Amino acid sequence: GAVVSQHPSRVICKSGTSVKIECRSLDFQATTMFWYRQFPKQSLMLMATSNEGSKATYEQGVEKDKFLINHASLTLSTLTVTSAHPEDSSFYICSARDIGTGRGSGEKLFFGSGTQLSVL
Amino acid sequence: GENVEQHPSTLSVQEGDSAVIKCTYSDSASNYFPWYKQELGKRPQLIIDIRSNVGEKKDQRIAVTLNKTAKHFSLHITETQPEDSAVYFCAAHLYGSNYKLTFGKGTLLTVNP
Repeated sequence: GAVVSQHPSRVICKSGTSVKIECRSLDFQATTMFWYRQFPKQSLMLMATSNEGSKATYEQGVEKDKFLINHASLTLSTLTVTSAHPEDSSFYICSARDIGTGRGSGEKLFFGSGTQLSVL
Repeated sequence: GENVEQHPSTLSVQEGDSAVIKCTYSDSASNYFPWYKQELGKRPQLIIDIRSNVGEKKDQRIAVTLNKTAKHFSLHITETQPEDSAVYFCAAHLYGSNYKLTFGKGTLLTVNP
């Protein structure tokens, strides 16, 4: 399948700092990427849809000024957690949609390896 | 929007037995249903998917069935092995939703040797 790279895999930071997470599609172009948050033993909660060249679409209840998303190219989306606090500690994971190069339908999503954020 | 219910939340089977996980969805406009396997601390991996114009799909020990009328779909794993132990998520894609997937809450499958 297609490869999605996510970095860093783990971040420990002090309260009040900002953290940037990168999501890259390595061997395909992704006009749309998705950012999720996952608490231990829980499902994937969609935070926002990142569209290349335009503003991200945030799900209800997700603060856009808190979670800044930039999708400047067809292979890179970034999520910045601004002024992180302990309640932002979570597993953040991105996914990308392969727009279609013979791999199958455009609905197939491929996930990054996730970022475990711990805010002290 | 779409709502996906998944059952059971935990499932424990003996090695070699079959495992079945069921999901229901709310919006009849959903047209694509993938299943993901997630091992602890790792990324979800797509293991099988099915489109709304197909009733059943099989890939070796894994199969998925879809009942559009009842709006439910199921994952079947036969001859389970300890390495099948993981959390399994079903999802539904609502046509026209910009490819957003709605996930079920997950099923923790434990295969006992």
